[in-house]
Amino acid sequence: SAVISQKPSRDICQRGTSLTIQCQVDSQVTMMFWYRQQPGQSLTLIATANQGSEATYESGFVIDKFPISRPNLTFSTLTVSNMSPEDSSIYLCSVTGWGGVNTEAFFGQGTRLTVV
Amino acid sequence: AQSVTQLDSQVPVFEEAPVELRCNYSSSVSVYLFWYVQYPNQGLQLLLKYLSGSTLVKGINGFEAEFNKSQTSFHLRKPSVHISDTAEYFCAVRKNNQGGKLIFGQGTELSVKP
Repeated sequence: SAVISQKPSRDICQRGTSLTIQCQVDSQVTMMFWYRQQPGQSLTLIATANQGSEATYESGFVIDKFPISRPNLTFSTLTVSNMSPEDSSIYLCSVTGWGGVNTEAFFGQGTRLTVV
Repeated sequence: AQSVTQLDSQVPVFEEAPVELRCNYSSSVSVYLFWYVQYPNQGLQLLLKYLSGSTLVKGINGFEAEFNKSQTSFHLRKPSVHISDTAEYFCAVRKNNQGGKLIFGQGTELSVKP
């Protein structure tokens, strides 16, 4: 299994500002994913981050709003830019390991963001 | 396109009663199936997964699920629930050629009452 640490665990931010969320994994992983969970909703994939390449964004999410870095195989950041109250959500980092198709996804504890 | 439907948004049940949380999916390709649990203010924890083989899979905390290909379902069951099972449960699917990228259902809130 993989142990994932996210920072911060929660934050309250002013609209118009940006917040960078960090995701640290205790082992090297190929793929890292960022999900958003809006209040009372399910999880929606924002983007897939692979080391050494640009992140791949899902429909409805753009790099200018959610820039992602993946500098190495154990770390990634997600920035929520120019925030509005609609960005209030839980943001979760997820990883899969090197086990190929038998590898499940592991999740961090999430970052609970409130935009005021 | 893939989609996942959890048929019940809320399931109230009394302690020690059996429970079934329903999940249906649609996909044009083979998929892997997962159930995750989310306790209040916590991240997601894997309950069980179906990759191949036996259609009845057993997971943690006494949960099991049965993959039914003809009905495209993956319902989660537990014969006797505890208060501590109160949580949000998510069904998720993944294409068999895409590692880690999950499509989640809407979630089912299981509320176990004494």
